[in-house]
Amino acid sequence: DTAVSQTPKYLVTQMGNDKSIKCEQNLGHDTMYWYKQDSKKFLKIMFSYNNKELIINETVPNRFSPKSPDKAHLNLHINSLELGDSAVYFCASSQARQSSSYNSPLHFGNGTRLTVT
Amino acid sequence: LAKTTQPISMDSYEGQEVNITCSHNNIATNDYITWYQQFPSQGPRFIIQGYKTKVTNEVASLFIPADRKSSTLSLPRVSLSDTAVYYCLVGDPLSYNQGGKLIFGQGTELSVKP
Repeated sequence: DTAVSQTPKYLVTQMGNDKSIKCEQNLGHDTMYWYKQDSKKFLKIMFSYNNKELIINETVPNRFSPKSPDKAHLNLHINSLELGDSAVYFCASSQARQSSSYNSPLHFGNGTRLTVT
Repeated sequence: LAKTTQPISMDSYEGQEVNITCSHNNIATNDYITWYQQFPSQGPRFIIQGYKTKVTNEVASLFIPADRKSSTLSLPRVSLSDTAVYYCLVGDPLSYNQGGKLIFGQGTELSVKP
């Protein structure tokens, strides 16, 4: 049973195209995220949603648009792809809590390797 | 937001104990310290989390001094399968679990040799 699943695993496309990455979690978590990992292994948060509401929208080009149809899904749509968009994109989820408490770790999917040519 | 600093890479041999230290000088009162492990072609995986003193689970131990400005992840008797990137993070669970920002650094690439 995969807790956080992303599709596709690999995505190769040409500059200027539009593509989507899908993410689903079956953990019952309230919060979902998109992270981008570059070639130097830095993981940078792009977006986070809590109960389908956008919480974080980092300085990401507006070509990137997240969509959360329900708490279990957070998809990422990218318009007019550029060479610099090549990276591994990770979806994650965590359980929101009402009080500061120990151990609400992020659960990550296995990533989508996007290559723009 | 507390920034973390950790070594970029470390080498070890099978059976040895590995200690990876992370500096977080401006850690806030409500911040917890969390470590993640990432294997190639996989997403990061939670290893351990702590607030102060020592935490131990079946995978690792986490040592946090009284001033909390650093922490040390200890992996006992590593094997080849422990070769991975290890990330140290600090953050307030209340904040980030409601969608707040949790910052990953560059991580420490641990290479375990036979």
